[in-house]
Amino acid sequence: DGGITQSPKYLFRKEGQNVTLSCEQNLNHDAMYWYRQDPGQGLRLIYYSQIVNDFQKGDIAEGYSVSREKKESFPLTVTSAQKNPTAFYLCASSPLQGRNTEAFFGQGTRLTVV
Amino acid sequence: RKEVEQDPGPFNVPEGATVAFNCTYSNSASQSFFWYRQDCRKEPKLLMSVYSSGNEDGRFTAQLNRASQYISLLIRDSKLSDSATYLCVVNLLGGYNKLIFGAGTRLAVHP
Repeated sequence: DGGITQSPKYLFRKEGQNVTLSCEQNLNHDAMYWYRQDPGQGLRLIYYSQIVNDFQKGDIAEGYSVSREKKESFPLTVTSAQKNPTAFYLCASSPLQGRNTEAFFGQGTRLTVV
Repeated sequence: RKEVEQDPGPFNVPEGATVAFNCTYSNSASQSFFWYRQDCRKEPKLLMSVYSSGNEDGRFTAQLNRASQYISLLIRDSKLSDSATYLCVVNLLGGYNKLIFGAGTRLAVHP
């Protein structure tokens, strides 16, 4: 089945460590996105990409990094520079053109700093 | 001003009620619009796209007013299962494809 897969579902990180969240899609979508959601809050855009080897900062990119070496993959690294990384991280993908450019989401990764 | 603004609610309504959510967006270049539903601790899922002419899907009706930069969602005959957070989403197509989410409106339907 086509879809978008995030892993792991739960992740615990010690302060000062970098961690990488995986996001893979087999929907042949060009655009991919990373969002952060805090309890009771909306989704805030971290990074987005619409082509391999190119990506743009969203509204809260500080302390995060991404890569887009393959169309199917858009991993997110949460670095030690991110001061408050505990949150729910959501990856999404969408077509670039056409009438239906809605995004499809992975199931999310809950990151907790311990 | 936020790019996409929604009334956070919560809206507490009895089963069978009709409820309407509103959303405004600031960028007139926005070209695609959607309503998503998010259940507690789950990922958002597409409820419906919003077209210029307005569109309906069963008990749900979405409307777009480009002149006022306003989107609405109407839910008729509310069910307990409609309880969720409803997210308004705007896509700035052209140049970079950028999806912007509103903070969401929480709906609680009670017996």
